[in-house]
Amino acid sequence: ETGVTQSPTHLIKTRGQQVTLRCSSQSGHNTVSWYQQALGQGPQFIFQYYREEENGRGNFPPRFSGLQFPNYSSELNVNALELDDSALYLCASSSLFGGETQYFGPGTRLLVL
Amino acid sequence: AQTVTQSQPEMSVQEAETVTLSCTYDTSESDYYLFWYKQPPSRQMILVIRQEAYKQQNATENRFSVNFQKAAKSFSLKISDSQLGDAAMYFCAYDTGANSKLTFGKGITLSVRP
Repeated sequence: ETGVTQSPTHLIKTRGQQVTLRCSSQSGHNTVSWYQQALGQGPQFIFQYYREEENGRGNFPPRFSGLQFPNYSSELNVNALELDDSALYLCASSSLFGGETQYFGPGTRLLVL
Repeated sequence: AQTVTQSQPEMSVQEAETVTLSCTYDTSESDYYLFWYKQPPSRQMILVIRQEAYKQQNATENRFSVNFQKAAKSFSLKISDSQLGDAAMYFCAYDTGANSKLTFGKGITLSVRP
């Protein structure tokens, strides 16, 4: 059974640029959630995708957008990067939403200069 | 809105001893789910234990157990026979069950002394 994978592991961008982060869900999982974790803080929910549709969104601006593909992998896109976007971005997958255990990937560390 | 509070930023335990990590939460829901996740320096969030609020029995997983007090909205994690590999940041998290939006606490850094 393959776990959740994310790419890239690290990324450096400059303010104003755009970035795409990728996530492959665990085998058999159809739900993917994205979280942003600032240094020394707990993760904050960005949004969730279930069967290719957005199924809930946290308090993040529209420049944070996402996609889920038919194989349930997912992308997180961030436009017009700001310095405060520097964080660890975590992807988690689950077999359903609503109380099911979420399994996390290793994360992508984004640094915005 | 639901909130999760972990008031202890750091704790330390001697190897082989027992330690309890505290967590409180605020919600108006009656059915929900609670989790403890471990995040070692490698950054990957690992599930430690899961509790369903409608179950009165406290969840246990080997050396890890919880003390779930629904009325007090308290969800503490007990680690028995602490091992060096238990050193990590531990997060308490809440899920309403409506979707899989996890609300996390700020975490607690656990160190284990040999």
